[in-house]
Amino acid sequence: DTEVTQTPKHLVMGMTNKKSLKCEQHMGHRAMYWYKQKAKKPPELMFVYSYEKLSINESVPSRFSPECPNSSLLNLHLHALQPEDSALYLCASSQDHRQDTQYFGPGTRLTVL
Amino acid sequence: GENVEQHPSTLSVQEGDSAVIKCTYSDSASNYFPWYKQELGKRPQLIIDIRSNVGEKKDQRIAVTLNKTAKHFSLHITETQPEDSAVYFCAASNSGSARQLTFGSGTQLTVLP
Repeated sequence: DTEVTQTPKHLVMGMTNKKSLKCEQHMGHRAMYWYKQKAKKPPELMFVYSYEKLSINESVPSRFSPECPNSSLLNLHLHALQPEDSALYLCASSQDHRQDTQYFGPGTRLTVL
Repeated sequence: GENVEQHPSTLSVQEGDSAVIKCTYSDSASNYFPWYKQELGKRPQLIIDIRSNVGEKKDQRIAVTLNKTAKHFSLHITETQPEDSAVYFCAASNSGSARQLTFGSGTQLTVLP
């Protein structure tokens, strides 16, 4: 089963709200990723978790806070976002951080009002 | 860091014709090159990938070629069908420990019936 799932599919939030995005995989992968994708642009890497530890933070603002509770789950906590943060947020996973093939989830379409 | 350039940005072909998308990369240490297809509102889906120890790989109507000396790789789709219409992203994997993917800017392929 090469599937990564994400919830919710769509999210609308105000700039003062706190919300969380969730990602789950049951492929036994040990590396998980958060990407941000704007319309007609490629995915931009935000965070990489390897064996449940944060290994890369691509200078992402602190209003985005990742969390990896266990090897199957990845969360992205959102607080005090700006309208320009509206985008498709994609989660991906790979077997481990040295295995290249990344499988993407369907994404969460986030709109910040 | 790695830089991946992708051309063309848009490509229209008649159904049944072939389509070619080209990418160049800058980091000679990159050794993994996946291609993703992303339909409107959907997740990026891996369609084919190639590693640097191979010059060409084929999967039915899709093929990828790699020229390590020139640092470029190409996606070839033969006998195109309307369902091939999508945005295609090339990517290159760096040699760092987290195996980050650097994406090209994308090609919008339209197959005209």
